[in-house]
Amino acid sequence: EAQVTQNPRYLITVTGKKLTVTCSQNMNHEYMSWYRQDPGLGLRQIYYSMNVEVTDKGDVPEGYKVSRKEKRNFPLILESPSPNQTSLYFCASSGRSSGRNTGELFFGEGSRLTVL
Amino acid sequence: DAKTTQPPSMDCAEGRAANLPCNHSTISGNEYVYWYRQIHSQGPQYIIHGLKNNETNEMASLIITEDRKSSTLILPHATLRDTAVYYCIVRDFRGYYSGAGSYQLTFGKGTKLSVIP
Repeated sequence: EAQVTQNPRYLITVTGKKLTVTCSQNMNHEYMSWYRQDPGLGLRQIYYSMNVEVTDKGDVPEGYKVSRKEKRNFPLILESPSPNQTSLYFCASSGRSSGRNTGELFFGEGSRLTVL
Repeated sequence: DAKTTQPPSMDCAEGRAANLPCNHSTISGNEYVYWYRQIHSQGPQYIIHGLKNNETNEMASLIITEDRKSSTLILPHATLRDTAVYYCIVRDFRGYYSGAGSYQLTFGKGTKLSVIP
């Protein structure tokens, strides 16, 4: 089954304790992206990656890092989390599926992060 | 800046057609219009997309104006399960291998559709 898997789904942590949210897709997609969603602000893009070793900033990259060492994985790293990073995070991927590229984004189920 | 404009909320009676508008007046020739929806706090789900012709699939229809500056998503017979936030975005997805295309995608706040029994 084609899917984007995020872990953890829920996490409560404390300020300054480094954490990583993993994202993995099994569709061999080139493009991957991270979003955060906050009440009243919609979905805002954090970082995106066009392919392995190619990443770029989205609208709200401050306080986050990403890496793309393998095609299937795109982890989101919070080196020193702060309470304003409490949010719902989504990973998404896009690319050729079954030989076709429709530009459709496939989203994970979300990771709800609370920073105390 | 957001590339699309949508009303913040709409109501629709169950069983009636829901027509959700989207303005994308600065759309370029290579950009497609995509619609997604998000039910509660689940991951957004793809609905439909199109370039300039009207499109229909099992979920919805997409009507794009001739000048491509606006579009309408139509849910022909809305049910309670269609209550969700609907997002319209424009995207040029070509060029993964040429460096062209759009990768910085802004979803905005979408339209919250409430289907009323």
